[in-house]
Amino acid sequence: DIQMTQSPSSLSASIGDRVTITCRASQSISSYLNWYQQKPGKAPKVLISAASSLQSGVPSTFSGSGSGTDFTLTISSLQPEDFATYYCQQSYSIPYTFGQGTKLEIK
Amino acid sequence: EVQLVESGGGLVQPGGSLRLSCAASGFTLSNYWMHWVRQAPGKGLVWVSRTNSDGSSTTYADSVKGRFTISRDNAKNTLYLQMNSLRAEDTAVYYCVSTGAARGRFDIWGQGTMVTVSS
Repeated sequence: DIQMTQSPSSLSASIGDRVTITCRASQSISSYLNWYQQKPGKAPKVLISAASSLQSGVPSTFSGSGSGTDFTLTISSLQPEDFATYYCQQSYSIPYTFGQGTKLEIK
Repeated sequence: EVQLVESGGGLVQPGGSLRLSCAASGFTLSNYWMHWVRQAPGKGLVWVSRTNSDGSSTTYADSVKGRFTISRDNAKNTLYLQMNSLRAEDTAVYYCVSTGAARGRFDIWGQGTMVTVSS
C-alpha cells in the first residue's frame, strides 16, 4: 500500500496568513493526488484534484502543486471559513490512501 | 439537488451484522463507480471498498476483506454495504462516495452514518 504522510499534523495561523501543507507519498504517484477539506461533523469536500486542478466553486486562494512523491497545498490568504482539517489522498492505486490530516486552527 | 443519503447505522454487538444503504438522488447512480470510506471517532479517513458502475467488479481493503460485501441496485439508485463479523475497530462513520471522470477523485459524499460496535 502507498503511505501518505502529511505535515504538519496541526497548524495555528491568523486571518490573512499564507499557509502551506505538505504531503509525501511512499512511492511515485505521478499527479494522482487530491486534497480535501473537512469541517467538524461534516463530510469532506474535494478542493483540488490531479495535484493542481482547482475544483469548481473553490476559492482561488487555494492552490496545489507537485508530482511524483512531494505535493503541497497552499492557502494564500486565510479566511475564517478555511479553518478545518485538510487531507491529501492518492488515487494512483488501490487501496486509495489518505494522509493523516492537518488541523488548521485559528491563532 | 445531487446528493447521497446513507442509512442503516447503529449499535451492534461484536460478531454481529449490519447493512448500510446509500440512496442517490439528483443523478443516476449507474453512471458512477461507488465507494465506502470510513472515519473512526477523532481519526482520519480510510477507504473501505469500491464497486464499478454495474456491480460486476468489487475491491476491498484488507481489513474488511471476507467480512464486508459491497453491492448496488442501479434500478433503485442505491448502494449497499453488508457488514458481518463486526469488530470494535469497525466503529466509525461510514460515508458512501462517488467518483466521476477523474480516477479516484471522491466527488460526491453522503452525510455519513455512524456504526458502533460494542457490547
